[in-house]
Amino acid sequence: SQTIHQWPATLVQPVGSPLSLECTVEGTSNPNLYWYRQAAGRGLQLLFYSVGIGQISSEVPQNLSASRPQDRQFILSSKKLLLSDSGFYLCAWSGGQSSNQPQHFGDGTRLSIL
Amino acid sequence: AQKVTQAQTEISVVEKEDVTLDCVYETRDTTYYLFWYKQPPSGELVFLIRRNSFDEQNEISGRYSWNFQKSTSSFNFTITASQVVDSAVYFCALSEAFTGNQFYFGTGTSLTVIP
Repeated sequence: SQTIHQWPATLVQPVGSPLSLECTVEGTSNPNLYWYRQAAGRGLQLLFYSVGIGQISSEVPQNLSASRPQDRQFILSSKKLLLSDSGFYLCAWSGGQSSNQPQHFGDGTRLSIL
Repeated sequence: AQKVTQAQTEISVVEKEDVTLDCVYETRDTTYYLFWYKQPPSGELVFLIRRNSFDEQNEISGRYSWNFQKSTSSFNFTITASQVVDSAVYFCALSEAFTGNQFYFGTGTSLTVIP
């Protein structure tokens, strides 16, 4: 069965420090991968998605970047964190290229910027 | 414009009551898919159901049921005989065949079931 791993679970970082959040998927190949941020309560904001290695689409201009160095690995990065980067970050995967596939989410990373 | 609207921000019910969570969507695509997710306090989003635009048949899964009505662009979710474990934030989402990979999530409805 497919599983998605996301780490770390929680992270406290000072303003201006770098960031690297990692997400890996097991049990499937060539998944679509997604990074979301959930800030101030509930709304889910799509940050990046990827349909293949090295292919990244950015939905929102911001202080963050994403990379997909391997088929089942998706990394969210920042060179210098801002206070506004605080939030709950969720990685997700879906199978195939069709829009009918549900997205399956990791457990999330709670990021606090001090 | 918001593609998925969940007008109910917060709902509280007493245990064993029935509760319906509303979801209204907007799309010009004739082929689209609707989803419901549950986010318990622990944070992860759990996939509950998918429905495609060509299948208006209502679905029941245990205490959960979903009512899809294209005429009103709604995909409502009912929990029968609610339990404390149902307390969570529930998200409705839309994906369109035209835009492919992108999901449009509603802002969520926070459900609290009071024992």
